[in-house]
Amino acid sequence: AQKITQTQPGMFVQEKEAVTLDCTYDTSDPSYGLFWYKQPSSGEMIFLIYQGSYDQQNATEGRYSLNFQKARKSANLVISASQLGDSAMYFCAMREGFLSNYQLIWGAGTKLIIKP
Amino acid sequence: EAGVAQSPRYKIIEKRQSVAFWCNPISGHATLYWYQQILGQGPKLLIQFQNNGVVDDSQLPKDRFSAERLKGVDSTLKIQPAKLEDSAVYLCATPGGGTGELFFGEGSRLTVL
Repeated sequence: AQKITQTQPGMFVQEKEAVTLDCTYDTSDPSYGLFWYKQPSSGEMIFLIYQGSYDQQNATEGRYSLNFQKARKSANLVISASQLGDSAMYFCAMREGFLSNYQLIWGAGTKLIIKP
Repeated sequence: EAGVAQSPRYKIIEKRQSVAFWCNPISGHATLYWYQQILGQGPKLLIQFQNNGVVDDSQLPKDRFSAERLKGVDSTLKIQPAKLEDSAVYLCATPGGGTGELFFGEGSRLTVL
């Protein structure tokens, strides 16, 4: 069974609109972390935001916020006021267990295209 | 923070040939990962090093792929002989920051003809 599911293969969004990218996860480990990465066409994987399973508040980083709903096992990425430069692949990933393990489980990604 | 350096950025070879990729991670990071990312998919872990020892290579096709990390710093990933299905981007990463996020290099894009 997939541990990280991103149900949107692709999305088109008008510039300046907000966009929500979906991510659901599956784990029985009470300690885990959720990550979002951006991968532009250049290929580099860029870390955006992190949410720990014990964090009380939803993570925010500039225009990025994470809508963390633990009971539903979802960790959606919200990008406010989208820009043309936001066009990229977006990956959700999960780390199970202790910090020292560091291995990430990845979703299949969502291709986001921002229209001018 | 010096980042993660990878080379070459691009490589085109014919099937059955060999290729090697090099990674120089952020100084001081004991853990290093090699990922394979096929077009349209998420990264797949090939091998994880802790210093110069292998922590996990369960998904490394050992009949053709090999990796080493001499002196616990630089690492090389080799494919010999290459197959068409090895066409992918090979990403090197190390952990950084307090949340354990990974820092990636720009990747090495391999095309096997």
